[in-house]
Amino acid sequence: DAGVIQSPRHEVTEMGQEVTLRCKPISGHDYLFWYRQTMMRGLELLIYFNNNVPIDDSGMPEDRFSAKMPNASFSTLKIQPSEPRDSAVYFCASRARAGTVEAFFGQGTRLTVV
Amino acid sequence: GNSVTQMEGPVTLSEEAFLTINCTYTATGYPSLFWYVQYPGEGLQLLLKATKADDKGSNKGFEATYRKETTSFHLEKGSVQVSDSAVYFCALSEGEYGNKLVFGAGTILRVKS
Repeated sequence: DAGVIQSPRHEVTEMGQEVTLRCKPISGHDYLFWYRQTMMRGLELLIYFNNNVPIDDSGMPEDRFSAKMPNASFSTLKIQPSEPRDSAVYFCASRARAGTVEAFFGQGTRLTVV
Repeated sequence: GNSVTQMEGPVTLSEEAFLTINCTYTATGYPSLFWYVQYPGEGLQLLLKATKADDKGSNKGFEATYRKETTSFHLEKGSVQVSDSAVYFCALSEGEYGNKLVFGAGTILRVKS
């Protein structure tokens, strides 16, 4: 398996623009997580899905952030409009099923909003 | 809420030195505990885990023991290599089925040859 695949690896955008980050989880995994990593706040869980259904979005910072999982093999995280303080590395991770502990992380998308 | 505290870095060691990275946690209940490693430009990888008190997780020469009495999960390695240079994250699980991972701030390890 190729692991969790994220795209793009790097994104530079201007303030006010819409940004869409993409994630393909490991096939057969039931859970998908979106994390954000910054120097100031470290790693934060934004939202997670179970079987394509959002379970907990309490970490989503503002209404400008939204996430979808239209099917088991694809998820998006959208920021609209983007702001400079959204600059961070965004990680997607997937996990097999309830009761398993290991989450597998993608390589991340480094977002820079100028 | 639950939290994880790690020793601040960077930690700089010579090759073959002994490594300890301290991690303590605050949690209700009995979470599982983890160490993840992040190599430059990569995502996080699970290094080791422990799911109950007194369990010892081990992998690639690294070890950590779940100490409930001191709420600690310190990472150790007897002889580090240059290839161990990375950022190390201590984490605990919380929520339903332990779905949510709460991470420490991370500790940068630099190993010199």
